[in-house]
Amino acid sequence: NAGVTQTPKFRVLKTGQSMTLLCAQDMNHEYMYWYRQDPGMGLRLIHYSVGEGTTAKGEVPDGYNVSRLKKQNFLLGLESAAPSQTSVYFCASSYSYQNEQFFGPGTRLTVL
Amino acid sequence: GENVEQHPSTLSVQEGDSAVIKCTYSDSASNYFPWYKQELGKRPQLIIDIRSNVGEKKDQRIAVTLNKTAKHFSLHITETQPEDSAVYFCAARWTGNEKLTFGTGTRLTIIP
Repeated sequence: NAGVTQTPKFRVLKTGQSMTLLCAQDMNHEYMYWYRQDPGMGLRLIHYSVGEGTTAKGEVPDGYNVSRLKKQNFLLGLESAAPSQTSVYFCASSYSYQNEQFFGPGTRLTVL
Repeated sequence: GENVEQHPSTLSVQEGDSAVIKCTYSDSASNYFPWYKQELGKRPQLIIDIRSNVGEKKDQRIAVTLNKTAKHFSLHITETQPEDSAVYFCAARWTGNEKLTFGTGTRLTIIP
């Protein structure tokens, strides 16, 4: 099993450009999460999903959109990238909210 | 909402000594407290967790203690080794909530 995978690993954008980050899991998990990690600020939840077709806002949702069209995939979109969105993005999944969250390897995004 | 404070932000200990990292939480209804370890350039991984009906849990050289009255929980690492060098994150989830709130992290350095 691959576990949780993320695509791409690195990306550089110019301000105003758009992009989509893909998270995939092969563990049949219901719950999926998108976090951003910034120095000194820990992991902050952007959006999450409790099952196929559902999404919900986390702690820092502004400027991001998500979709969960298939159970195994969770997409994070940036419609108009800003330098403040320069960060490392981690996806995670869990069987239920009461179970361990498994993280992907991360995507390092730089917005110039 | 939930707030989790983590201290210290950096910690250096001699190899073989013990390390203690402490987190405090704001919501007395919190019932689940995991600890994640993140090695440099890697993804966060769960190392130990504790639920509110337990005061202490041990797994070889690591242990977590929970003081519900004071609303704090701590990670204890004994007989530290160079491979313990990493950033450690605490987190908390309160009853009925689907989300984890993470602390800001502690960078632990083991000095050979």
